[in-house]
Amino acid sequence: DIQMTQSPSSLSASVGDRVTITCRASQGISNYLAWYQQKPGKVPKLLIYAASTLQSGVPSRFSGSGSGTDFTLTISSLQPEDVATYYCQKYNSASGLTFGGGTKVEIK
Amino acid sequence: EVQLVESGGGLVKPGGSLRLSCAASGFTFSSYSMNWVRQAPGKGLEWVSSISSSSSYIYYADSVKGRFTISRDNAKNSLYLQMNSLRAEDTAVYYCARARRYCSGGSCYDSYFDYWGQGTLVTVSS
Repeated sequence: DIQMTQSPSSLSASVGDRVTITCRASQGISNYLAWYQQKPGKVPKLLIYAASTLQSGVPSRFSGSGSGTDFTLTISSLQPEDVATYYCQKYNSASGLTFGGGTKVEIK
Repeated sequence: EVQLVESGGGLVKPGGSLRLSCAASGFTFSSYSMNWVRQAPGKGLEWVSSISSSSSYIYYADSVKGRFTISRDNAKNSLYLQMNSLRAEDTAVYYCARARRYCSGGSCYDSYFDYWGQGTLVTVSS
């Protein structure tokens, strides 16, 4: 089975900072990767799919990149409302829609 | 507006059973694959099971295979999860989620989840 590893597991940054979260697949998954945001006590929300396509309504400060095994989610200018846990998810086959372990983002 | 509303959660003893339901509205339910995703208290997301639009394709995570059964009733716009032989480690919020599909090499698969329900809490404890 393909494993998804996110790093870091948590981070603290200041408002306005550029934040980068990494997701690594144990095998190549082309661009079959999505990113979700889950605010405290809330339901997960789709941010990005196909590694770099922004879901409708998601602010443009969010972006995704990568292909194969290494992917990144970038918040270009961190805002207070971005405090959340972020998850990557691979979907390259019928055998498992695996999530990464999550990255908790806090404001310094 | 797409809405997914789960129900059926609660407290159950180890070894017991529970049936979750998810009522869908605001979209053509019979055209979409549907999934269950769970989240243990304070933990990350774990995909549980998926069912294709016509119930032709069904998949389970290894952790629930043989104990859980996913089904749907397109006439009632409803998704179900029958959970048997429940264990303490099944304690979680269970979300139903609509999946988009992608096709590659002549086959089509579930991909990302674009809509999620609010979740229903299942607690397995004696």
